[in-house]
Amino acid sequence: QKEVEQDPGPLSVPEGAIVSLNCTYSNSAFQYFMWYRQYSRKGPELLMYTYSSGNKEDGRFTAQVDKSSKYISLFIRDSQPSDSATYLCAQGRYMRFGAGTRLTVKP
Amino acid sequence: DGGITQSPKYLFRKEGQNVTLSCEQNLNHDAMYWYRQDPGQGLRLIYYSQIVNDFQKGDIAEGYSVSREKKESFPLTVTSAQKNPTAFYLCASMRAGNTIYFGEGSWLTVV
Repeated sequence: QKEVEQDPGPLSVPEGAIVSLNCTYSNSAFQYFMWYRQYSRKGPELLMYTYSSGNKEDGRFTAQVDKSSKYISLFIRDSQPSDSATYLCAQGRYMRFGAGTRLTVKP
Repeated sequence: DGGITQSPKYLFRKEGQNVTLSCEQNLNHDAMYWYRQDPGQGLRLIYYSQIVNDFQKGDIAEGYSVSREKKESFPLTVTSAQKNPTAFYLCASMRAGNTIYFGEGSWLTVV
């Protein structure tokens, strides 16, 4: 079993939609999580990180961790075409990543 | 500006050749990482180093080698033993607080 599992999509939504991206993890030893955004042919850039359960907001982005179910989520409100990218979740000190979900936001 | 510099951006390798990808960071980070990304796939950890002169294998270390002689530098050698080396290679470093930052990547193609 991979340490971090993520649905690779692809996911296509209309502009303005709320996007939900999800990952599950198996190793409870490392309780911090990150979301990265990767544009085509570029290195990933950090979007958000969180150490605890519950929600963390940053503008249009909300990161959510549910430790009881080992589930992490990223919500994007009022999605924009510029949000079209691959989104990667990551966990732990040794940075295991999910497969990435490719998101397209259509104008 | 502080950051992680990978070079070259594009590299072509002939069958049987070893090639070395450079990674330099001026962020004063202790930990450095190498990942491989295949088209449409996520990141797979090749090697990581927590401190100078020490490194550990990741999930797919076979056919790769690294060194960490200086804090700023963590070069990756793709050896001829790596049978399918064509991929996008990403170097990263981590600051205290467990946030990892990436370079812009290197594209390696076997010709």
